[in-house]
Amino acid sequence: DAGITQSPRHKVTETGTPVTLRCHQTENHRYMYWYRQDPGHGLRLIHYSYGVKDTDKGEVSDGYSVSRSKTEDFLLTLESATSSQTSVYFCAISGRENIQYFGAGTRLSVL
Amino acid sequence: SQQGEEDPQALSIQEGENATMNCSYKTSINNLQWYRQNSGRGLVHLILIRSNEREKHSGRLRVTLDTSKKSSSLLITASRAADTASYFCATGPGPGGSEKLVFGKGTKLTVNP
Repeated sequence: DAGITQSPRHKVTETGTPVTLRCHQTENHRYMYWYRQDPGHGLRLIHYSYGVKDTDKGEVSDGYSVSRSKTEDFLLTLESATSSQTSVYFCAISGRENIQYFGAGTRLSVL
Repeated sequence: SQQGEEDPQALSIQEGENATMNCSYKTSINNLQWYRQNSGRGLVHLILIRSNEREKHSGRLRVTLDTSKKSSSLLITASRAADTASYFCATGPGPGGSEKLVFGKGTKLTVNP
């Protein structure tokens, strides 16, 4: 998976609890992305980063925050998880011509 | 909102047949990419076609791009059971020229042995 590691791979949590997902890359790429994938909606961008401490919102950013304190790590936080945030979350990095390389995904269930 | 829209949503064929998937998009693009996703895995880049290209080949894959119609097609020739996966088109740049891709909802391809 192109030097991208997501953790955890699976998580079950309760409504109202904070959750942090981690994406780690060994490629030293500037751009990193967080997507969620849901049936019927395809892949939707949550947040992305274009450098350390530089982030911007995507299409479905409400209820999510991100941080990037080092080039290699991009964290996604669900401040207070809701059942609508049950999804599969993918991290990606982009190389030349914005070809993106994806991690293996994190399956999150919010009960 | 989604930029790329794949058609059909699902496709079932026999091994050895060709599979064609289409993608339509709405705004001007620099390039269009196709990705494959096997069940339970992350997306994998297959092929990129630039806006000034009309056709591109990679192994058993052929991609065409018609910028006047804002559409692209992905042809997989002589399909194999291992080609069973979902296929997504993605267009860039994103709004405002950003380094974002906008993905379609995908075509689920099933190749029957």
